[in-house]
Formats: sequence, C-alpha cells, structure tokens
Amino acid sequence: DTGVSQNPRHKITKRGQNVTFRCDPISEHNRLYWYRQTLGQGPEFLTYFQNEAQLEKSRLLSDRFSAERPKGSFSTLEIQRTEQGDSAMYLCASSLDGTRGYTFGSGTRLTVV
Amino acid sequence: KNEVEQSPQNLTAQEGEFITINCSYSVGISALHWLQQHPGGGIVSLFMLSSGKKKHGRLIATINIQEKHSSLHITASHPRDSAVYICAVTLRGGDGGSQGNLIFGKGTKLSVKP
Repeated sequence: DTGVSQNPRHKITKRGQNVTFRCDPISEHNRLYWYRQTLGQGPEFLTYFQNEAQLEKSRLLSDRFSAERPKGSFSTLEIQRTEQGDSAMYLCASSLDGTRGYTFGSGTRLTVV
Repeated sequence: KNEVEQSPQNLTAQEGEFITINCSYSVGISALHWLQQHPGGGIVSLFMLSSGKKKHGRLIATINIQEKHSSLHITASHPRDSAVYICAVTLRGGDGGSQGNLIFGKGTKLSVKP
C-alpha cells in the first residue's frame, strides 16, 4: 500500500470553471475525510465518509461543493463555478475507524485565477 | 475563541536547542494528535495521545487531560526539524465514542538555524 494518494497535486483554473479532485485512501480504511487549508491556517473539516456513506458535512461545504465515495473506495471532491476564495490546499485523510491514527495525502493545491 | 490553541505561532531556534510547543483545547476529546507539515503540504502524523507521554526518537509528547493541555518537545533540534507542527483533537461524541473528524490548531512554524 502506498498510503493516501491525491490527484492532481496542483490545479490552476479560471474563475467559474468546475474542478474535480480525487483521493485514494489506504485500502482497508473505512473512513475518509476531506479538509481545506488556507495559507497560515490549520486545516478545516469539510466532510467525511464511512465506507460509501457521507456522514457529516461542514457548513463550509457550500452547495457548489459535492463529494462522493462510490463503492467505499476512492473519493472525489468537485467544486462547481469556482471562486477565488476557493483557492486553498485540499487535503484528504483516511482512518480505519476514526479512533486510531490518520494517514494524510499530500494534498491538492488549487489556485483560482 | 478557537477550540484548539497553539503557542507559539512562530519559533526560531538554534541547532541543538530544546524546543517546546504547547497546545490547549477547550472541548472533550478522545485523542490528541501532533502532526508535522513540510512546505508543499504533506502532513505526517507524529503522535496520537489519550493520556500520559509518548516518545519517538528526539520527539516527546505529553498530555494532561485534567488541564486540557499538551506539549510537544524536540530535543537536540536540527535544521531538518524545520516545519509546521500542528496540534489536532478528535472530539468525544455524545455517547462517549469518537466523532472521528479532527479539529486543528493553526500550527506552529518552527525554523531551526544551523
């Protein structure tokens, strides 16, 4: 297992375009989390899945954001009609059951121009 | 007020110095995590604590549940320790179980000069 993999590493997009990020968690991990981190701040929780079920969504996750985890494996995070305020690092993490350690991906850095 | 507060925000040390980073939290937790983030964004989990003290190499993490406080110590610091160190907590759920998702502090940026 190569850990948590996120793609792409970097994405530059024009305002108004849609973007999609992918996260491949550690295969036996049931829980998958998405976080957003802006410069100089700690990561902020966006949403998490237990298997294929999306169990919690943050208020930060506006209706332009949608996340899926079909079949409880990889997950995608889509941002529609991107805005400059969406520019951030989007981090994915996985965990076996939320009570043990977390493994983080390297993140996808989004720049909206 | 943030639920997880770290101090200091920035820390510059000379190689070889003993370093302490502090974390205070205001919520009920099931665990506290110390994480390391290098430029470029990747986060590495250093420790997960629910009580007492853990040691790994030159790193030591302690937690005082009653005082809701944790410290991360680095002995004999080295320039390669330069990174952002983030404290995060896993909330304790209403039924005593873990809600699972993490709440993060803003991080402490450590720079160790040779």
